[in-house]
Amino acid sequence: EPEVTQTPSHQVTQMGQEVILRCVPISNHLYFYWYRQILGQKVEFLVSFYNNEISEKSEIFDDQFSVERPDGSNFTLKIRSTKLEDSAMYFCASREGAGNQPQHFGDGTRLSIL
Amino acid sequence: ILNVEQSPQSLHVQEGDSTNFTCSFPSSNFYALHWYRWETAKSPEALFVMTLNGDEKKKGRISATLNTKEGYSYLYIKGSQPEDSATYLCAFTRSGTASKLTFGTGTRLQVTL
Repeated sequence: EPEVTQTPSHQVTQMGQEVILRCVPISNHLYFYWYRQILGQKVEFLVSFYNNEISEKSEIFDDQFSVERPDGSNFTLKIRSTKLEDSAMYFCASREGAGNQPQHFGDGTRLSIL
Repeated sequence: ILNVEQSPQSLHVQEGDSTNFTCSFPSSNFYALHWYRWETAKSPEALFVMTLNGDEKKKGRISATLNTKEGYSYLYIKGSQPEDSATYLCAFTRSGTASKLTFGTGTRLQVTL
């Protein structure tokens, strides 16, 4: 069964450094998402992406964050200057079509900021 | 602010027991309610997407119901097995929001022999 893949599984980065988290969504999916879960908290929405542009973003998704789908297969999340509070599990998800279809999640990238 | 609540936070049952958990969500501007099963170190697995008031969905021993007027959904597991041990997440989608998911805190289920 097709699945969403994320790399790396664990990323350790110094505070202030840039980090790029990578995702390969399911190939025929059209809608793409990033979520994160800080330890002990709820999974929270960051951004949705459709037709090569951001369709919605949360308050968390400030100027330090950006997303890109550079080549039609990868979907990346970049954090320009990481902060300690960016430490979390980051999940990519994709959806095929209509909003009543499920979002399919990757295994996540654990980001640790030192 | 959307608030999606789940109860109980955790549950410990014996193999063979049937169990159920609750998800409550805002009843206004409802679009869809999602249930996910999430095992440690794996990706959340979609169980159901429910959109209509009174919807009932079933997948093997797991079923779910939806009441959009009062803002709650129940997930039932019949005859729990150890492999059902996981965190069960519900997530709410509001109409007009590009289908972003707003998650509850989850119910952590442990099934022992």
